[in-house]
Amino acid sequence: GAVVSQHPSRVICKSGTSVKIECRSLDFQATTMFWYRQFPKKSLMLMATSNEGSKATYEQGVEKDKFLINHASLTLSTLTVTSAHPEDSSFYICSANGPYTDTQYFGPGTRLTVL
Amino acid sequence: AQSVTQPDIHITVSEGASLELRCNYSYGATPYLFWYVQSPGQGLQLLLKYFSGDTLVQGIKGFEAEFKRSQSSFNLRKPSVHWSDAAEYFCAVALYNNNDMRFGAGTRLTVKP
Repeated sequence: GAVVSQHPSRVICKSGTSVKIECRSLDFQATTMFWYRQFPKKSLMLMATSNEGSKATYEQGVEKDKFLINHASLTLSTLTVTSAHPEDSSFYICSANGPYTDTQYFGPGTRLTVL
Repeated sequence: AQSVTQPDIHITVSEGASLELRCNYSYGATPYLFWYVQSPGQGLQLLLKYFSGDTLVQGIKGFEAEFKRSQSSFNLRKPSVHWSDAAEYFCAVALYNNNDMRFGAGTRLTVKP
């Protein structure tokens, strides 16, 4: 139980385009989802916290107009990287609060490459 | 400032040897403590967590961790490492609840045959 999926697993896009990444909780309802960014050989950096039905809370330094987060249902949150630039290339990981709200369950990540 | 530190960037151990990965935190109060493992190109898998109670916590895959309040530490241990344990290990803390999780820089574990 408590499985989180992400789609796509890899995406390559041209500079200036937008990319949407989906995060789904497959077998539980997640009132809160989280988006992280991980640079090569680095730790995870929390980008934003997403609550179902409300606006996401962004961490300091994260551009909310560039990284659009939508959490429209209890099982789906999306991250849209708008007008992507090569410096946005990274590994994006989502997580969701588990059924007992004491553990975050992580998705497998999405590798974004912006050319 | 609040922080979580993993002093060792990279550790190499022989298969069958014991392992200890260090984690220290600097918070005003005792946070919730977690250890996650990440295989290359993958997401994170929870190994174990500490919220309260017994300070020696058992996790999956034969891992355990001990919370030491006096040292502000939560070190991860395994008595006998397997080649499949080679991965990146992250210590994480959350001060108020699970919603406020911060990660250490990670320790990369290499296992020699």
